[in-house]
Amino acid sequence: QVQLVQSGPEVKKPGASVKVSCKASGYTFMSYYIHWVRQAPGQGLEWMGIINPSGGRPDYTQKFQGRVTITRDTSTSTVYMELSSLRSEDTAVYYCARSLGKYSSSSFDYWGQGTLVTVSS
Amino acid sequence: SYVLTQPPSVSVAPGQTASITCERKSIGSESVHWYQQKPGLAPILVVYDDSDRPSGIPERMSGSRYGSRAILTISRVEAGDEADYYCQVWDSSSDQMVFGGGTKLSVL
Repeated sequence: QVQLVQSGPEVKKPGASVKVSCKASGYTFMSYYIHWVRQAPGQGLEWMGIINPSGGRPDYTQKFQGRVTITRDTSTSTVYMELSSLRSEDTAVYYCARSLGKYSSSSFDYWGQGTLVTVSS
Repeated sequence: SYVLTQPPSVSVAPGQTASITCERKSIGSESVHWYQQKPGLAPILVVYDDSDRPSGIPERMSGSRYGSRAILTISRVEAGDEADYYCQVWDSSSDQMVFGGGTKLSVL
């Protein structure tokens, strides 16, 4: 069965970086895009960026440009999201999700379980 | 920027029909997708490409689109439908995914 399994919760100090992993299984890793979405406490969903496991440059929403880096390791079917220069407003649950396409077939049919990142001094 | 506007909340009695709207700032051809999220859980896809349902989603949940407005309709609402619902589109002009602000469905 399709699974996206994320790494565990993190507590970071302001200014630090965090790297969250998303390990895919149960399907052909190269065939689906992986997205990162975050949700601050009590808030809505916020899209951060996308990567094509087959290759090519990741795309990031402008808000996170320069602070977020999404990478993938095809040997382990894992995608990583690293967010730097953390501030308290980055405290959120971070989700990975997959889509078959980008412009079409862009719905997220499977999601990871979420990773809570807490930024606190 | 691409904006999707949803009502913050919708309330409905059990057995009635709930309609959740998603208004787009500009008319586009991109398909709308809908997600249900219950507290403490990841969202799940309930409608994709405006009106298609993934397997396992009850027929009571349906989607439609009229111009710049998309609608998620939940018929014969049950207590278990109480959740937050989000609409989503891929904005091809900016190469970004956009979510609506979410609608909290309360079952009275």
